[in-house]
Amino acid sequence: EDQVTQSPEALRLQEGESSSLNCSYTVSGLRGLFWYRQDPGKGPEFLFTLYSAGEEKEKERLKATLTKKESFLHITAPKPEDSATYLCAVRPGTYKYIFGTGTRLKVLA
Amino acid sequence: GAVVSQHPSRVICKSGTSVKIECRSLDFQATTMFWYRQFPKQSLMLMATSNEGSKATYEQGVEKDKFLINHASLTLSTLTVTSAHPEDSSFYICSARDPGTESYEQYFGPGTRLTVT
Repeated sequence: EDQVTQSPEALRLQEGESSSLNCSYTVSGLRGLFWYRQDPGKGPEFLFTLYSAGEEKEKERLKATLTKKESFLHITAPKPEDSATYLCAVRPGTYKYIFGTGTRLKVLA
Repeated sequence: GAVVSQHPSRVICKSGTSVKIECRSLDFQATTMFWYRQFPKQSLMLMATSNEGSKATYEQGVEKDKFLINHASLTLSTLTVTSAHPEDSSFYICSARDPGTESYEQYFGPGTRLTVT
């Protein structure tokens, strides 16, 4: 069965304290792994797409990496405005996504 | 990136009434749109895939007669919650993929908060 697991569930960081979020997956044929940011009461905002092991994408303080079993979202020197829930989703071969439960990130000033 | 809108952003209705939620792709034509629901502090659960000009494909456990989906044009899909009950209260989010690109990311609307009293 296709499955996505994110860890930790929640993370509190001090401003400037770098860390990584994990997304582990088991799918029958990965056709894309996606990272989104979701603020409370809003729809998810697209961040990155990764397609193959070894691929990396960067945007400002965020960097996403992909292996054959997991993806990491690295946050370098986070700021309070980076506080949000970060969602990982995989596309196993159709247009449908399978979402993880997310990591709720809180960055303290 | 592609822009998807939803209307209304919030709706309160009485038990037994029906509510329609609109999802529009603003700067692209979407042959496929998706409807999700999200409970507090939980992830997104796909309810159905909406295909322009054809019947929607519902996920297992989603009642077709309760959640009516119409994708009548390339920029508009609607979700109607019929005979709503308090347990239907949730955050409903739509998404769409831009078929004009080779990538497969979905772009999400801002969501609709439904409260059934």
